[in-house]
Amino acid sequence: AQTVTQSQPEMSVQEAETVTLSCTYDTSESDYYLFWYKQPPSRQMILVIRQEAYKQQNATENRFSVNFQKAAKSFSLKISDSQLGDAAMYFCALLGFGNEKLTFGTGTRLTIIP
Amino acid sequence: GAVVSQHPSWVICKSGTSVKIECRSLDFQATTMFWYRQFPKQSLMLMATSNEGSKATYEQGVEKDKFLINHASLTLSTLTVTSAHPEDSSFYICSARTGFTGELFFGEGSRLTVL
Repeated sequence: AQTVTQSQPEMSVQEAETVTLSCTYDTSESDYYLFWYKQPPSRQMILVIRQEAYKQQNATENRFSVNFQKAAKSFSLKISDSQLGDAAMYFCALLGFGNEKLTFGTGTRLTIIP
Repeated sequence: GAVVSQHPSWVICKSGTSVKIECRSLDFQATTMFWYRQFPKQSLMLMATSNEGSKATYEQGVEKDKFLINHASLTLSTLTVTSAHPEDSSFYICSARTGFTGELFFGEGSRLTVL
């Protein structure tokens, strides 16, 4: 079984500031992917960033970066220079190579304060 | 990126009727498609996994006879909610992948309201 835990139901950040969303996970898989997805009010799931577990280097996509701590099973998302368009629900997710199932956390609602 | 399209985006039906939701991969062949259900302000719950040409694999607690999934081609999977009831009202999302690239592509979702 695999689980994904997001302990922050809601977060808010001032526009242009930096915010970090937390995620911890558990899996028996030795190989897996971790993702952060964004779900805006339109409900369309949008991939924000992806991390392969075998890679030690933290993934980065423009203003989005992750802090992947494999031993601690932690995968946090840092959003720099927050913009109004970043307001959304953010889901952390894990995909195990063996079971091929994408398991989502409960989500963190991010509000951007102008 | 790859495009996955769902239709209809919103459907309202009477209790007891059946509703079909389509999920299409527009620019790639999807060997595997997944169906999720999302209640308001909650996360996505995997309902079933479907591979082209074979029977879908349902998650524990999901009624196979109520939620019929067909993956007849590499670009189309359908979810049919049979004899729908108000408790089936939800947001249904499909996703698709080709091979095992580690990335899933999501449809826009379909909101089902059963009166």
